Amino acid sequence: AQSVAQPEDQVNVAEGNPLTVKCTYSVSGNPYLFWYVQYPNRGLQFLLKYITGDNLVKGSYGFEAEFNKSQTSFHLKKPSALVSDSALYFCAVRAYNTNAGKSTFGDGTTLTVKP
Amino acid sequence: GAVVSQHPSRVICKSGTSVKIECRSLDFQATTMFWYRQFPKQSLMLMATSNEGSKATYEQGVEKDKFLINHASLTLSTLTVTSAHPEDSSFYICSATRTGSTGELFFGEGSRLTVL
Repeated sequence: AQSVAQPEDQVNVAEGNPLTVKCTYSVSGNPYLFWYVQYPNRGLQFLLKYITGDNLVKGSYGFEAEFNKSQTSFHLKKPSALVSDSALYFCAVRAYNTNAGKSTFGDGTTLTVKP
Repeated sequence: GAVVSQHPSRVICKSGTSVKIECRSLDFQATTMFWYRQFPKQSLMLMATSNEGSKATYEQGVEKDKFLINHASLTLSTLTVTSAHPEDSSFYICSATRTGSTGELFFGEGSRLTVL
């Protein structure tokens, strides 16, 4: 069975500082990894994905994430946080040969960026 | 990116009534859509997979007679909560993938259901 762990329920950073939202995963075979962001009372928005290739992937709004196979991690990062980045972030994983609907989501991490 | 529209965004109904939520893919065809339920400060729980032209596939523990799913066209899936109870109050979200994509999901805006 596949799983995703987001060890931090809450991450607080000051505006302008770098941010990291952690994600580790467990899956059989090669993983497809995703990050999504959710604003209050809204659906999720796709940020970025790792399918294959370069371990460092860049996505929307200046976010990036690094796939680390040995540590089974896919941490989300941004060099300089904005107040508008405050939201709920979900990491998701699925095995390469499974239906997209079988993506497993983490429990989410609430990011708060303070001015 | 692909656009998925969900309607209504908020609905309040009385116990015992039925409520229909629509999910539309606006700029692509979606042979498969997914319905989730999200409780406050919790992750998404996949309820069912909606397949165009065939029966939906429900996850274990989800009552198919209570949560009716219809996927009548390549751009529209509907979720009907029948005989709603207060415990059905939740945030319902739909999503879809584009044919040929590598699996990122495009989500609707979500529907907040409150059953009185």
